[in-house]
Amino acid sequence: DAKTTQPPSMDCAEGRAANLPCNHSTISGNEYVYWYRQIHSQGPQYIIHGLKNNETNEMASLIITEDRKSSTLILPHATLRDTAVYYCIVRVFNYGQNFVFGPGTRLSVLP
Amino acid sequence: EAQVTQNPRYLITVTGKKLTVTCSQNMNHEYMSWYRQDPGLGLRQIYYSMNVEVTDKGDVPEGYKVSRKEKRNFPLILESPSPNQTSLYFCASTPSAGANYEQYFGPGTRLTVT
Repeated sequence: DAKTTQPPSMDCAEGRAANLPCNHSTISGNEYVYWYRQIHSQGPQYIIHGLKNNETNEMASLIITEDRKSSTLILPHATLRDTAVYYCIVRVFNYGQNFVFGPGTRLSVLP
Repeated sequence: EAQVTQNPRYLITVTGKKLTVTCSQNMNHEYMSWYRQDPGLGLRQIYYSMNVEVTDKGDVPEGYKVSRKEKRNFPLILESPSPNQTSLYFCASTPSAGANYEQYFGPGTRLTVT
């Protein structure tokens, strides 16, 4: 799997958009970009994933650059409950391949 | 409700006393795996299973065993627990090993070995 680089921490004001960046400069053509988050010590929660097109669901939007070397997770209206560690993962199809979680970005949503 | 369940959620035990942490999913997923999470080390995969009776080692398998006799269950067995296995454990499942499927995680089991 390609390695990812994320800032260790970020702050965001409640109600504002939270933009979490991720660099994955060595990503291969068949690797997907996944985002998960972990609130306290709960099980990681799936947010969104994509291959090369931008994606949007009820939780967030994923913007992937044209060269696919970086992406941004956007939480459009952050709430206090969005305070969590956010993980950016790239994953290739390969029998047995697992998700490799890095240290992630600790997002603090401030009132 | 689609979910992954783990039991127990919390366990304190002593060195050498065999224990099993159960994991069950109700989504008919083929692929299941176990992770441990330690401060500063992130989540690391212990074992995974591609399907019934098919299991393989992940990144940190030493001291653990697993079995997959039924599709829905994937227990983690610690034959002789040691203090360095004190950790937060997560079970996860996904429809298959394909890259276009998300993993669903259980709520976690916090294990303390004294």
